[in-house]
Formats: sequence, C-alpha cells, structure tokens
Amino acid sequence: KNQVEQSPQSLIILEGKNCTLQCNYTVSPFSNLRWYKQDTGRGPVSLTIMTFSENTKSNGRYTATLDADTKQSSLHITASQLSDSASYICVVSARGGSQGNLIFGKGTKLSVKP
Amino acid sequence: DAGITQSPRHKVTETGTPVTLRCHQTENHRYMYWYRQDPGHGLRLIHYSYGVKDTDKGEVSDGYSVSRSKTEDFLLTLESATSSQTSVYFCAISESGTAGTEAFFGQGTRLTVV
Repeated sequence: KNQVEQSPQSLIILEGKNCTLQCNYTVSPFSNLRWYKQDTGRGPVSLTIMTFSENTKSNGRYTATLDADTKQSSLHITASQLSDSASYICVVSARGGSQGNLIFGKGTKLSVKP
Repeated sequence: DAGITQSPRHKVTETGTPVTLRCHQTENHRYMYWYRQDPGHGLRLIHYSYGVKDTDKGEVSDGYSVSRSKTEDFLLTLESATSSQTSVYFCAISESGTAGTEAFFGQGTRLTVV
C-alpha cells in the first residue's frame, strides 16, 4: 500500500534554532516528492518539489533532501522564525500516476517560540 | 493563493440538508480537485475534474457529487449532509494532470454539520 509517514508529529523549537523534519514513503514507482507549508486556517503552499534524480533542493531557509534508495526525505529549516510556525506536509506521487494520485502525509506541526 | 477563491469560507448546516461549496479560479487551469482534511489524516481526494463536464471519483467520493460547467468553476455538493462530513474542504488546481505538475490550493472551507 502506498503510504507517506512523517515524523515527528509535532515539534517545538526556539526562534533562531534549526530543525529537521522527516518523511518516509513506500510509494512505488516513485515520481516526485513535494513539501508543502500550511499555515493555520490556510491552504497548503508548495515549498519544494523533487524528482527521482534530485537529492537536494532549497527555497530560502528551507532545504529538502531526498534519498530515493532508502525512500526518505527531510526538510531542514535554518534559523527559524516565528512565521515558520505551521504544519509541513510531505506529498509523494507515483510515476505514471496523475495529480489525482498524490499521497499526502499527515504533517508535522512546528511551533517556533520566541 | 494562485487565483483560487473558495466560498463560503465557513458554513454550519443541519444533518440531511444539501450543501454546495464553490471553487472559482482565474488561472485557466484545466484540472481542479476537491480534498477534505481531517485530524489524523492527510488530505484525501474527493473528486477531480480534467475539463469542462469531465470529472472522476477520488478516494472518498461517497456522499459527494461535483459539477464543472465552466473552466473556472468547480462545485462540490453534499447531497444529504452527515456529521461525518464535518471537515475542512480544499480546492486545488493544476495546469495538467501529470504527476510532476505543481498544484495550488485555495484557502479552504470549514464545514460543520450539526
């Protein structure tokens, strides 16, 4: 069964600190992996999208890594800010699949405290 | 929010009544999607559309119907609302249906069925 598991479920860090969120997936055959940020009361917003051949991609203070061999991805946030408080969702799609076949993780809820 | 407007943003309705949620886009994207988001679950696909009058079922389509009479509008109808349909509903759009295409989400509609 295609699944996306994220850890931790929630995380509290102090402003200015770094953190790393994890995503493990069993989707096969793999096409691409995305990370979304979802602020409370808002829709998800794309941070990065990586294909099989990419193992790292950055978007400002956000850096995503992908290990297609171990089927793991991480999202590293550098020098966290209060505005980084949100849920971060890992999404995987299968090769040959459609947009209707995106598999969503349950998300990691990040709280950044002053 | 990529030119996507969901209405209403909040709605409370009674069990057994029909409810229609609207998604309007100004991006002229061909594909439109309805998802629901519930605690303890990742986003789950209800229905999607790949063109005017062309729709297909998603993972959790029971109790829902959709219509797309114009490129810009995608309607989700709960034929007879039940408490289990209390959720946050998100509309998404994408230019194409291939797995690598970016998807953009609306701000969501919070529906409470009492």
